[in-house]
Amino acid sequence: DAGVTQSPTHLIKTRGQQVTLRCSPKSGHDTVSWYQQALGQGPQFIFQYYEEEERQRGNFPDRFSGHQFPNYSSELNVNALLLGDSALYLCASSLGSASRWETQYFGPGTRLLVL
Amino acid sequence: AQSVTQLGSHVSVSEGALVLLRCNYSSSVPPYLFWYVQYPNQGLQLLLKYTTGATLVKGINGFEAEFKKSETSFHLTKPSAHMSDAAEYFCAVSGYTGGGNKLTFGTGTQLKVEL
Repeated sequence: DAGVTQSPTHLIKTRGQQVTLRCSPKSGHDTVSWYQQALGQGPQFIFQYYEEEERQRGNFPDRFSGHQFPNYSSELNVNALLLGDSALYLCASSLGSASRWETQYFGPGTRLLVL
Repeated sequence: AQSVTQLGSHVSVSEGALVLLRCNYSSSVPPYLFWYVQYPNQGLQLLLKYTTGATLVKGINGFEAEFKKSETSFHLTKPSAHMSDAAEYFCAVSGYTGGGNKLTFGTGTQLKVEL
């Protein structure tokens, strides 16, 4: 049973560029959440997708956008990259009931460095 | 709104000694609480979670946590530390406002285990 997978594992970009990160959820899961983890910090919630719609969003600017596909995989897009966007981006999957007790399973993350 | 405070960004114990990692929460609704562990260059792995019912929760790798409503705490313990326990530990609370079940994390506690 494959867990949550993310690609790429590492990425280096320049300020002002755009980046797309990808996530495949755990088998049987239909909800994908994205988190940003800056160095030395806890993960911060970006947004959550369910049934191809953004269901909930954290305090991130519109430069951060996402998409969920019919097969439940998801993309995170960040436009006009800033140095402060350098972080580990984590994808988590869960079942779609949105119950607060549902466990979110995390992928290994994509480490983004913006120069 | 929910929030989590982890006291002590770094904790150091000797191998075989008791591990105690502290977490206090704030929640306007009955909380659902989680502990995750993060090994270097990896994603987050669920250790245990509290939803309802028994306040003493047992998790993987010998860890357990006790939910104390009167103290708004959910401290993580392990009777005897092992070298393999060295990692970063995150406490999180699950929120549910307007749809979605985002996790709000603390800033993490780095556990060091010494011989």
